[in-house]
Amino acid sequence: QKEVEQNSGPLSVPEGAIASLNCTYSDRGSQSFFWYRQYSGKSPELIMFIYSNGDKEDGRFTAQLNKASQYVSLLIRDSQPSDSATYLCAVRFPYNTDKLIFGTGTRLQVFP
Amino acid sequence: EAQVTQNPRYLITVTGKKLTVTCSQNMNHEYMSWYRQDPGLGLRQIYYSMNVEVTDKGDVPEGYKVSRKEKRNFPLILESPSPNQTSLYFCASSQGVDQPQHFGDGTRLSIL
Repeated sequence: QKEVEQNSGPLSVPEGAIASLNCTYSDRGSQSFFWYRQYSGKSPELIMFIYSNGDKEDGRFTAQLNKASQYVSLLIRDSQPSDSATYLCAVRFPYNTDKLIFGTGTRLQVFP
Repeated sequence: EAQVTQNPRYLITVTGKKLTVTCSQNMNHEYMSWYRQDPGLGLRQIYYSMNVEVTDKGDVPEGYKVSRKEKRNFPLILESPSPNQTSLYFCASSQGVDQPQHFGDGTRLSIL
């Protein structure tokens, strides 16, 4: 099992719809979770981070964390064509290291 | 402006010719990290540093060296590059491993 898993996509949604991106992780003790957006050929940029179970909202974005089920998701409301990018999930693994593990990313396509 | 600066942005070189990719951040961040990004494999951590003179291996450290003599700089050294090190490299920094990372613009290395 990969440490951090994401569906590679592409996930295609129409403009204005809700895009739901999911990420599962293998270590139940993980504490810190991040979502990054990466446009083709560019560097990753932070969208959201979440540390506690539940939902965290920032504008059109909501991060949801369920530690018992070991998944973290990102919801994008009112999706826009400019949201078309690859979304990377990153998890800090706690087993006495300071490593950050990234998933391989989900490609999102928002069509007009 | 807060930023992480990598140089060079692009480099084509030959097998065995030592090279250094520089990384500098102006945010007084404690934590710095190097990643490589390959199609289908996502971002993989090469080395990271919690502070000056403190470095540790990530998931793919073979063939790379790093040093952290000053807080702001974290160069990546390829002593004897090989074609399998052809990749897109990112440097990142943050206040700590549990904090969001700021990424540089990336360095595309081609080893012939």
